[in-house]
Formats: sequence, structure tokens, C-alpha cells
Amino acid sequence: GAVVSQHPSWVICKSGTSVKIECRSLDFQATTMFWYRQFPKQSLMLMATSNEGSKATYEQGVEKDKFLINHASLTLSTLTVTSAHPEDSSFYICSAREGRGREGYTFGSGTRLTVV
Amino acid sequence: GDSVTQMEGPVTLSEEAFLTINCTYTATGYPSLFWYVQYPGEGLQLLLKATKADDKGSNKGFEATYRKETTSFHLEKGSVQVSDSAVYFCALRDGGATNKLIFGTGTLLAVQP
Repeated sequence: GAVVSQHPSWVICKSGTSVKIECRSLDFQATTMFWYRQFPKQSLMLMATSNEGSKATYEQGVEKDKFLINHASLTLSTLTVTSAHPEDSSFYICSAREGRGREGYTFGSGTRLTVV
Repeated sequence: GDSVTQMEGPVTLSEEAFLTINCTYTATGYPSLFWYVQYPGEGLQLLLKATKADDKGSNKGFEATYRKETTSFHLEKGSVQVSDSAVYFCALRDGGATNKLIFGTGTLLAVQP
């Protein structure tokens, strides 16, 4: 079945540095990529939606200059947390959808980011 | 806006016990409803889904029925196994252009032998 590989699975970085998270669709073309974050005991909150070759659409309250999303190819999307601070520590998950169909969301295994 | 509320965990059961994880939703229109499962170290996987009222989704012994009158989609399994230990997420798909998924908080299920 469809697989999305997300890396790294965990990362610790110093405050003020930037961190890049990658999601690759291994056996299908990810036309649309969704990026979520999850705080402990809270829902997965959608941060942004990106279509290949287009600018990402950010949800209300998400800083687009802090969370840079690139979806330059049909198999790769990246999320860069710029100038990270401890409050950015969270669990980040990507989800890819193939084509324009209404089914078939494939999730990455998530990235645990800790900013110290 | 649309939202999903599911029971807090963790839920701890003995093997072969009956499982219910409650999920209710708020939505305009008629959303599709989903249960996803996340095993340790893995991504979320679709467990089952229902696209209209009174539909029953089922998979691997799990069932959930789309109840429009109570806006609910409770997950049930008659006899859980240790291998069912995971986090379970209830979700709805909104009817907007992006068809994004809206999730509940997730419920950790721990099944003891």
C-alpha cells in the first residue's frame, strides 16, 4: 500500500536554530500534503495544506514565516521550523493524498521536536 | 466550526474484554467519519470509515455506526487483544475544497494479557 516516509522521527535543537522535517511518498504521487502538529493530550491540529508546485495554505493562527512549507515535487514536502523556540516543541505529522480523489490519506510516522 | 470530541484515555482493558471508545462530532452538512489507529512508532492508519447516516464501518473486528441523530460514531470491539494496544483517533472530513481531516484528541488503549 501507499507509504509516506517522514524524517527525522525525533530531533532536539537549540533555541534560535532551524529544523527541517521531510516527508516522502514512496510509491505514489502526493498531489496534496497536509501538515499537523499535536500537543500532549490534544488533537492533531492542521497547520497547512500544500499542493505540489503551489504556495501552502496556512490555517488561521499559524505563522507562515515561522513554519515554511515546500512542496516542490510530487514525492517530497518539507516543513522547516525557523528560529525555533521551546514553545514550538511538539509532535509534527504529515499526511499525503494522491490525485484529486476524496479518499486515501497516508500518514507519516511523525517527528518529535524538542527545542531546548 | 467542525469539531470532534472523543473520550479521554488511557483505556486499560484485559484481553478479551469489550471495548467502546466514544466519539461525537459537530459539523455543518454531512461529513464522512473515520477511525484511525496509530501503533507505536508508526503513522496513522485508516481503521474504518462511514460516509453517510446509518452506515456501519467495520475492519479487524472493530465496528462503528454513523448515528446522525446523536452525532456519534462510537468505536466498538467485542473482544480485544494485546495487539490492539494503540492510540485511536476519531476524525471527520469537512466538505470544503481541501477535504481536510479534523481529528479528536486520540484515545490510548492498553490491553493487558
